[in-house]
Amino acid sequence: DIQMTQSPSSLSASIGDRVTFTCQASQDVRNYFNWYQQKPGKAPKLLIYDVSNLDTGVPSRFSGSGSGTDFTLTISSLQPEDIGTYYCQQYHHLPYTFGQGTKLEIK
Amino acid sequence: EVQLVESGGGLAEPGGSLRLSCAASGFTVNNAWMTWVRQAPGKGLEWVGRIRSKSDGGTADHAASLKGRLIISRDDSKKTLYLQMNSLKTEDTGVYYCIAGADRLDYWGHGTLVTVSS
Repeated sequence: DIQMTQSPSSLSASIGDRVTFTCQASQDVRNYFNWYQQKPGKAPKLLIYDVSNLDTGVPSRFSGSGSGTDFTLTISSLQPEDIGTYYCQQYHHLPYTFGQGTKLEIK
Repeated sequence: EVQLVESGGGLAEPGGSLRLSCAASGFTVNNAWMTWVRQAPGKGLEWVGRIRSKSDGGTADHAASLKGRLIISRDDSKKTLYLQMNSLKTEDTGVYYCIAGADRLDYWGHGTLVTVSS
């Protein structure tokens, strides 16, 4: 199975900060890569698909980049509603696998 | 509006069985590949498996780690996805999410909680 490793495991930042999450795959997943956001007590939601494409309704302060094994999710200006846990996912090889998540809190 | 409503969760004993259902609406269900993902309490997301649309063969792929205990099926006439859970273990405890999509997990249900305990 492809292992997805996210860092950091948790992050505390201030409103307006630029925030960056990373995800590393144990082997090349090309661009078969998504990010999800899970707010407390809610189901996850697709945030970014195919590395850099924002899902419908996702604010433009979110962006994704990367290729192969190293990927990044950036929030350009942190807002209070962005708190939650962020998961990466690869869908290049079965079983599709998720990272362990990065929990984002407001400082 | 896409709606996915899971049901069938609850308390089960180790070694027992449960069948989860997911009622789908708001999209062309019979054309959709569907996925189950689970989340143990306080933990991350785990891919359980997916099922193809009937037009793409209707077959399912499951996480090998589940060793055939959790089986996905669908009944498009009822617009319903199922997850048959057999030989339950305490580590199967968690919230089970039904999802429309396979590669891109577009729409998620609210989830149903399964607790395996004696």
